[in-house]
Amino acid sequence: NAGVMQNPRHLVRRRGQEARLRCSPMKGHSHVYWYRQLPEEGLKFMVYLQKENIIDESGMPKERFSAEFPKEGPSILRIQQVVRGDSAAYFCASSKSGGTNYEQYFGPGTRLTVT
Amino acid sequence: DQQVKQNSPSLSVQEGRISILNCDYTNSMFDYFLWYKKYPAEGPTFLISISSIKDKNEDGRFTVFLNKSAKHLSLHIVPSQPGDSAVYFCAASEGNAGNMLTFGGGTRLMVKP
Repeated sequence: NAGVMQNPRHLVRRRGQEARLRCSPMKGHSHVYWYRQLPEEGLKFMVYLQKENIIDESGMPKERFSAEFPKEGPSILRIQQVVRGDSAAYFCASSKSGGTNYEQYFGPGTRLTVT
Repeated sequence: DQQVKQNSPSLSVQEGRISILNCDYTNSMFDYFLWYKKYPAEGPTFLISISSIKDKNEDGRFTVFLNKSAKHLSLHIVPSQPGDSAVYFCAASEGNAGNMLTFGGGTRLMVKP
């Protein structure tokens, strides 16, 4: 009974490069969420997706960041032209349904370091 | 503007005693609250949740209390065990705003043997 899977677990990128973070939800879950945790802070919501649809991207920076959840395959969070301030832990979560009262289950995270 | 606050960054408790972690919120539209536990280099693990129509929810050693008038919730762990040492986050969601969770900054719990 696999949980939420994220890869890579650690990613190092130089300034200006692109970062691609992948997330496979739990079996039976069709709702995916991305959160970012800066050092010594709580998690901050970025985006909520269902298959082939972005439902809420109110937490996404306006530039350089994009997310998708295709019909087949994992959800991808893409950061173009990374800067040092993008260094953080990025967590993906999934839930069975989209209503409230459905708990979100988190993956182990991808730690992005921008040098 | 922090809508969910955990004012104690850390808490130290003796094994076997009660741990009480507190959380305050400002958004009166929040109607669902959750507690997560997080170990270093791992993702948050769901612990327990409570709907705003309740004031208490219990699951084994974990109990969450909700005081809507005070916009305050707390997590009680009884008895505390060394394996409970972790960072605890409270989170809240607003029914009409979809599924976004708003997290507090976390409280680091240390349970001493």
